[in-house]
Amino acid sequence: AQKVTQAQTEISVVEKEDVTLDCVYETRDTTYYLFWYKQPPSGELVFLIRRNSFDEQNEISGRYSWNFQKSTSSFNFTITASQVVDSAVYFCALSEDNQGGKLIFGQGTELSVKP
Amino acid sequence: DSGVTQTPKHLITATGQRVTLRCSPRSGDLSVYWYQQSLDQGLQFLIQYYNGEERAKGNILERFSAQQFPDLHSELNLSSLELGDSALYFCASSGPQGGAGDTQYFGPGTRLTVL
Repeated sequence: AQKVTQAQTEISVVEKEDVTLDCVYETRDTTYYLFWYKQPPSGELVFLIRRNSFDEQNEISGRYSWNFQKSTSSFNFTITASQVVDSAVYFCALSEDNQGGKLIFGQGTELSVKP
Repeated sequence: DSGVTQTPKHLITATGQRVTLRCSPRSGDLSVYWYQQSLDQGLQFLIQYYNGEERAKGNILERFSAQQFPDLHSELNLSSLELGDSALYFCASSGPQGGAGDTQYFGPGTRLTVL
């Protein structure tokens, strides 16, 4: 069965530290998609990235980078030089090719960046 | 701003009552999704509609129903409300395929409080 695990419930760092949020997934499908969303204190869900199962190339967008490793079923998210505005709950999610658009979310990691 | 609108933002009602949540997708999107976010269950997929037809269903209670209208807006109806239905309800939209590879953009949510 499909499942997403974010083992880190809460992380607290000081501004300018690097931080990595872990995501491990389970699926039997060979075609699937992985996502990261950010939920700031205001409550909305903001899309960050989508990755398909055939593209293991790592991606960097500014201070954000993502490491996708099929061998360990992981899709980790690193924020470099964290800022207070990065404080939010971050969700990893999985969708499988035969499940319509259904997203399976992890439990989320609450990141607190202190000045 | 994702372009997805949800009304109302807040809803307070009593047990046993019925409410309707409304969602307008981004311009051009054909698919609408409903999710429930609660402290104990996390983010849970409820149901997906694509161009007026139901495409995927999650663990949606029988007391809950949804539909997508010809103008593509969607409504989620919750009836015989219980205290445990208190949650943040998100609508998301995507296009054009309504499948696993589509990125879902989320609305601001409707916070439902059942007293």
